[in-house]
Amino acid sequence: SQQGEEDPQALSIQEGENATMNCSYKTSINNLQWYRQNSGRGLVHLILIRSNEREKHSGRLRVTLDTSKKSSSLLITASRAADTASYFCATGRIQGAQKLVFGQGTRLTINP
Amino acid sequence: DTGVSQDPRHKITKRGQNVTFRCDPISEHNRLYWYRQTLGQGPEFLTYFQNEAQLEKSRLLSDRFSAERPKGSFSTLEIQRTEQGDSAMYLCASSPGNWREGYTFGSGTRLTVV
Repeated sequence: SQQGEEDPQALSIQEGENATMNCSYKTSINNLQWYRQNSGRGLVHLILIRSNEREKHSGRLRVTLDTSKKSSSLLITASRAADTASYFCATGRIQGAQKLVFGQGTRLTINP
Repeated sequence: DTGVSQDPRHKITKRGQNVTFRCDPISEHNRLYWYRQTLGQGPEFLTYFQNEAQLEKSRLLSDRFSAERPKGSFSTLEIQRTEQGDSAMYLCASSPGNWREGYTFGSGTRLTVV
């Protein structure tokens, strides 16, 4: 079953603008991860944020985590056409199996 | 090691036939995962291995599905008596475990059942 819910489901912006995607989840987590998927391909890991962290940066990516609200956001700054892809959040739970549970994804389109 | 490899990339099969997919993970990774993804959806967990032990199977995995990871290296996913509803992308991923880093995914095997 899907745990994360991404919002919006689809986002279309102009090249150079910033893109923000949100993710909400239901259970207590050990960490939250973001992945990118280009059409018809496998997923690429972007960033992992642990439950005791509030913000993390990697290049043009900024991820925040609010465990009290059970939500996370992914910000891509200065977007490029190559950023066009689907973005998924995935949660790793504290207890039980060490498996990731993925959300439905946000389809991001960067218009040149 | 160049990453996670999956074979074949595409498979078209007739309903009722058996199919087998292979996944070669990153050699240092002791955990291997299988996910299924349908169009417009996120990946859904099927099963995972720690070394050669299969530690969890999703309820999505009917009796027609079986996965193995002999010797804790490559893994195979077999679907018997395929149905049209089995058409999907089957993704394999590996990780070193203990949430040290994210998963490394393969490019997937796209199955079409006709």
